[in-house]
Amino acid sequence: SQQGEEDPQALSIQEGENATMNCSYKTSINNLQWYRQNSGRGLVHLILIRSNEREKHSGRLRVTLDTSKKSSSLLITASRAADTASYFCATDKNDYKLSFGAGTTVTVRA
Amino acid sequence: DTEVTQTPKHLVMGMTNKKSLKCEQHMGHRAMYWYKQKAKKPPELMFVYSYEKLSINESVPSRFSPECPNSSLLNLHLHALQPEDSALYLCASSLRPGTGTEAFFGQGTRLTVV
Repeated sequence: SQQGEEDPQALSIQEGENATMNCSYKTSINNLQWYRQNSGRGLVHLILIRSNEREKHSGRLRVTLDTSKKSSSLLITASRAADTASYFCATDKNDYKLSFGAGTTVTVRA
Repeated sequence: DTEVTQTPKHLVMGMTNKKSLKCEQHMGHRAMYWYKQKAKKPPELMFVYSYEKLSINESVPSRFSPECPNSSLLNLHLHALQPEDSALYLCASSLRPGTGTEAFFGQGTRLTVV
């Protein structure tokens, strides 16, 4: 079942700009993960943030987690054309299931 | 080797056909998953194998039959599918079941049922 909802559904930005997308979820979680999917192919894991963490960085990615609001955000800084993809948050309750949000489609214009 | 390999990449099958999707990983992962993804939708979990045993079946119709012959291989046997089963089928694996680690996905099999 789909646990997370993402906002916005689609985002179009100029190369070099930052992209921010948000994810909200409904129940308590063990961790939250972000994935990227290019052109309807496989998903690539970007970053995992545990429920006791508030912020995490990986290269140009910054993820925050607010468990009191049951929400997370993904910031991509200095975007590139290669960042054009769909981005999904996924929640993990340590119950073998990874439940994906609806996704945000990001288009980076040259 | 950090890859999950799925074959075939594309499959067209009739509603009376029997076919199989294959998935392979050599990362020593003991959890393997099948997901189904329709266009412009998120992946939906179908099955979870934990240490080669079926742990979760998300009420998937019996025309989909998973099999885990060993710790590196995962199959999905297809029989008497319907056109609405056309989708991208994704295989994934993770290190250990239920420990909250990242999942590695294959590139998927694009299935069309005619």
